[in-house]
Amino acid sequence: GQSLEQPSEVTAVEGAIVQINCTYQTSGFYGLSWYQQHDGGAPTFLSYNALDGLEETGRFSSFLSRSDSYGYLLLQELQMKDSASYFCAVKDTGGFKTIFGAGTRLFVKA
Amino acid sequence: DAEITQSPRHKITETGRQVTLACHQTWNHNNMFWYRQDLGHGLRLIHYSYGVQDTNKGEVSDGYSVSRSNTEDLPLTLESAASSQTSVYFCASSPGTREWQFFGPGTRLTVL
Repeated sequence: GQSLEQPSEVTAVEGAIVQINCTYQTSGFYGLSWYQQHDGGAPTFLSYNALDGLEETGRFSSFLSRSDSYGYLLLQELQMKDSASYFCAVKDTGGFKTIFGAGTRLFVKA
Repeated sequence: DAEITQSPRHKITETGRQVTLACHQTWNHNNMFWYRQDLGHGLRLIHYSYGVQDTNKGEVSDGYSVSRSNTEDLPLTLESAASSQTSVYFCASSPGTREWQFFGPGTRLTVL
């Protein structure tokens, strides 16, 4: 079967760095993406990795290791507004379907 | 500006009724998707479409149907609403050559 695993909750302090891990098991792999969702809002795209390595976009970075079926989202200089749910997602090689993890709820404390 | 919209934003209906949720995007994207989101399950794919006249079942398609008569719209129909279909529904689109999706604001559906 296909599955993505990520921690259900993470808590961190404002200004700190936090890493949200994601491991996946899928029949095909085309890339790993990350989405942010605030309470009551819609998911919004954050980053995408198709190749091994680190992708940096401002305070957010995303890493992928295809050999380990593993990736992570790194959030630096945490702000209160970063409190949200973060979903990793894998794009299936069989088409344009995207499979989402259950999400990690990030709590940022002052 | 291009966007993706959903209507209604909130809907309360009764068991057994037919319900249609609208999704409209102005990006001219070929690919459109419907997801439902329930606590603890993340986003689960209901149906998706690669283009006009194309529709495909996702992982939780039972009790739902879609049709694609033009590029902009992918309405989702619940043939006979059940309480288990109470959820938040998101529509999304992607151009097909990029690897991320744009999501609509969501529709909160309650089936009593």
